[in-house]
Amino acid sequence: SQQGEEDPQALSIQEGENATMNCSYKTSINNLQWYRQNSGRGLVHLILIRSNEREKHSGRLRVTLDTSKKSSSLLITASRAADTASYFCARHSGGSNYKLTFGKGTLLTVNP
Amino acid sequence: DADVTQTPRNRITKTGKRIMLECSQTKGHDRMYWYRQDPGLGLQLIYYSFDVKDINKGEISDGYSVSRQAQAKFSLSLESAIPNQTALYFCATSDSRDSGETQYFGPGTRLLVL
Repeated sequence: SQQGEEDPQALSIQEGENATMNCSYKTSINNLQWYRQNSGRGLVHLILIRSNEREKHSGRLRVTLDTSKKSSSLLITASRAADTASYFCARHSGGSNYKLTFGKGTLLTVNP
Repeated sequence: DADVTQTPRNRITKTGKRIMLECSQTKGHDRMYWYRQDPGLGLQLIYYSFDVKDINKGEISDGYSVSRQAQAKFSLSLESAIPNQTALYFCATSDSRDSGETQYFGPGTRLLVL
């Protein structure tokens, strides 16, 4: 089952605006990762946040993690048309179960 | 990511046919994965392998089999293809020495079963 659930399912914004996507999960995590998928292509890793971290930055990306609420958010600032893609969160539960569980994704459209 | 390659990139087959999708990687990673993606859905894990002698079923392994021929190669077979196996298939790799288990994906194989 897919335990990472993104919200919203789709988001349409204008270039220059910020985009925020949320991810909720149900069980404990070792880390949570965000991936981007351009239409029909393979996923590309964006950023990883560990369970003991609350916020991480990478360029125009900012990820937060609230383990008490079992949720994470991905903020893309000053969006560009090239940011148009689907964004997935993936939960890594750690321990002996070294697998990623992906959510259904948020389709972000950035209009020029 | 050119370090993870998949062949073929597109495949059309008929119900009942056996087909094989192949994945090769030059990243030196020990762990490899096969996922399928259906429109509007996330990725579902079919099989995964943590080393050459290790094969594990994922969420949706029925109707599929795999072979880890070498550390760099992981193939997925559909023994008797059916239309609901029409999907986009991805291979991915990760390094067990990476505590974060970041995965690196191939470009995907688009499969259509008629």
